[in-house]
Order: sequence, then C-alpha cells, then structure tokens
Amino acid sequence: GENVEQHPSTLSVQEGDSAVIKCTYSDSASNYFPWYKQELGKRPQLIIDIRSNVGEKKDQRIAVTLNKTAKHFSLHITETQPEDSAVYFCAAPGVAGGTSYGKLTFGQGTILTVHP
Amino acid sequence: NAGVMQNPRHLVRRRGQEARLRCSPMKGHSHVYWYRQLPEEGLKFMVYLQKENIIDESGMPKERFSAEFPKEGPSILRIQQVVRGDSAAYFCASSPPQNYGYTFGSGTRLTVV
Repeated sequence: GENVEQHPSTLSVQEGDSAVIKCTYSDSASNYFPWYKQELGKRPQLIIDIRSNVGEKKDQRIAVTLNKTAKHFSLHITETQPEDSAVYFCAAPGVAGGTSYGKLTFGQGTILTVHP
Repeated sequence: NAGVMQNPRHLVRRRGQEARLRCSPMKGHSHVYWYRQLPEEGLKFMVYLQKENIIDESGMPKERFSAEFPKEGPSILRIQQVVRGDSAAYFCASSPPQNYGYTFGSGTRLTVV
C-alpha cells in the first residue's frame, strides 16, 4: 500500500513569514494529493489539492507543488497569520493494483504555530 | 446540505461494553471511510465502504471491530468489548463515486473508562 512521510512534525514561524511542509509518497501511480487543516478539537478540512497532471496550484496565500519524478509534494503558506495555526496533513491515494480507489493514506501531520 | 453527520459527538463506555458510532454521508456521496485518530497522532485508515459492500477493511483490527453501510440508514462502526486502548477520535468521511474529494464529519470521541 501507499506510504506517506511528512516533515517537519512541528513548525514555528513568526506572523508574516512563509511556512513550507513537505511530503513524500511511495506509490508512483498515485494521482491525487490533498492537504487538510485540522484545528484543535475539530474535523480535518480540505484546504487545497492537486492532481498529477499539474505541477503547481495556488489559492490566495496557499500553494501546493508536486514533483512526480521525485515523488514529493509540498504545501506553501505565505504571509502567515495566527489563525493559520493548526495541524496540517498531507495524503495520497496509492492506486497500485487498482484496489481501493477512494482510500487515502495520511501523513503524520505537522503542528504549525504562527506567533503574533 | 448538512454535511457529514456523525453521532454521538462524545461517547463514554466502560471496559467490556459495546460502542456504536454512526455516520450519515453527505447527500450524493455513496462512499464512506472510517479513520481513527489517537491523541496527537495522524489519521489511520480503518475501512472503506459503499452501500451494502465493504471495499477495503485492511485497517480494521481483526477482532472486536466491524463496520457496515446498509442500503438504508447510516454507516455504523461497531466496537465490541471495548478496552482503554480504543479511546480515540473516530472520524468518518464521505465522497462521491470515483472522487477522492473527502468531506469529514465532526468525529466521535470515544473514551473508555
């Protein structure tokens, strides 16, 4: 099955700085890469995703880049704000063998703290 | 659109009791997934279901855990004879067919005392 590694496990930045979180995946057939934000005690919420036919996608202050050759993808948050503080999870589907189309494997999570 | 509905939000069970967690997917979503999240840990896949069908249960413990998604009604995750180690947040997500776009429910926080 798919194996997703996420780094760093914790990230502390000053308000206004940029934050970058990286994930690697093992299944070269994976074709969809979402990022979720989870605030304390709440549900994970999709913030951005990218499909394997593009290398970068941007939505206001957040962007995701994908390197299929190296099998890694990254979340970039610019001009960070205190309300960006949360746990961020990456995920990948792992479609090798054609089984379990919908299943996502999540990374271990990154605790982002933005200091005012 | 009410989103993915999970109940109860909090559930306390004594060791040895049964826990039943319910999940109603979003309207138009026919795929349901259950994930377990231990404190300060990531989301661990448990099971993937479609109506009346278990697609992938590779993340389910072999004993005491079962899941169903009947033709009518919510998906149920059932934990028999709960132990302290079962204490966790259990999240359900749903998606449309052939689409990875998960929407998560608010989760059920199970505490075993």
